[in-house]
Amino acid sequence: EAGVAQSPRYKIIEKRQSVAFWCNPISGHATLYWYQQILGQGPKLLIQFQNNGVVDDSQLPKDRFSAERLKGVDSTLKIQPAKLEDSAVYLCASSLIGGRTHSGNTIYFGEGSWLTVV
Amino acid sequence: AQSVAQPEDQVNVAEGNPLTVKCTYSVSGNPYLFWYVQYPNRGLQFLLKYITGDNLVKGSYGFEAEFNKSQTSFHLKKPSALVSDSALYFCAVRDGGPGGYQKVTFGIGTKLHVIP
Repeated sequence: EAGVAQSPRYKIIEKRQSVAFWCNPISGHATLYWYQQILGQGPKLLIQFQNNGVVDDSQLPKDRFSAERLKGVDSTLKIQPAKLEDSAVYLCASSLIGGRTHSGNTIYFGEGSWLTVV
Repeated sequence: AQSVAQPEDQVNVAEGNPLTVKCTYSVSGNPYLFWYVQYPNRGLQFLLKYITGDNLVKGSYGFEAEFNKSQTSFHLKKPSALVSDSALYFCAVRDGGPGGYQKVTFGIGTKLHVIP
């Protein structure tokens, strides 16, 4: 079974530029997550989709970050304009369902997209 | 609000010795607990989880974890450490109690160093 696919793996941009990351979840997984992992910290949830609807985006900096999941499969996370503090690994993950009655479902992660803002 | 604590930034253990990576949690309802491992320049890999049932959970690569409700702990263990176990380990919790949506909260990670 194919895992969560992410691209690009590495990206270096200058501050104030824009960047986009793409994610393809495990086939059949209704829930898709984007996490931000800053060096030395645990992953922080940016946004969670259930199919193509947003369940939680409370920690997404909406003035510069946006995400979409068209057709309930692939997803794109965009940062515009980037700041130095956005340097991090952006992890996409998926699970079968992430709702209340399925809280025990395992979340599977992709390899991450490593962003350096200079 | 739910939280996870991993009290040790780093754990050093000699190859062949047993290892323990500590995790304590706080939730208002029943906890769903997870352990993940992250190798350098890789994403997080699922090791094991506790949902309900036996307090001792067995997972991938010979790892196991013991759920202790009275101590609100979920420590990761392995009887005999390998050099290849050296990595960053994350504990995570999700509140399974009544109410609305609950996200998964991750700890800050513990770096495991297995000494040859």
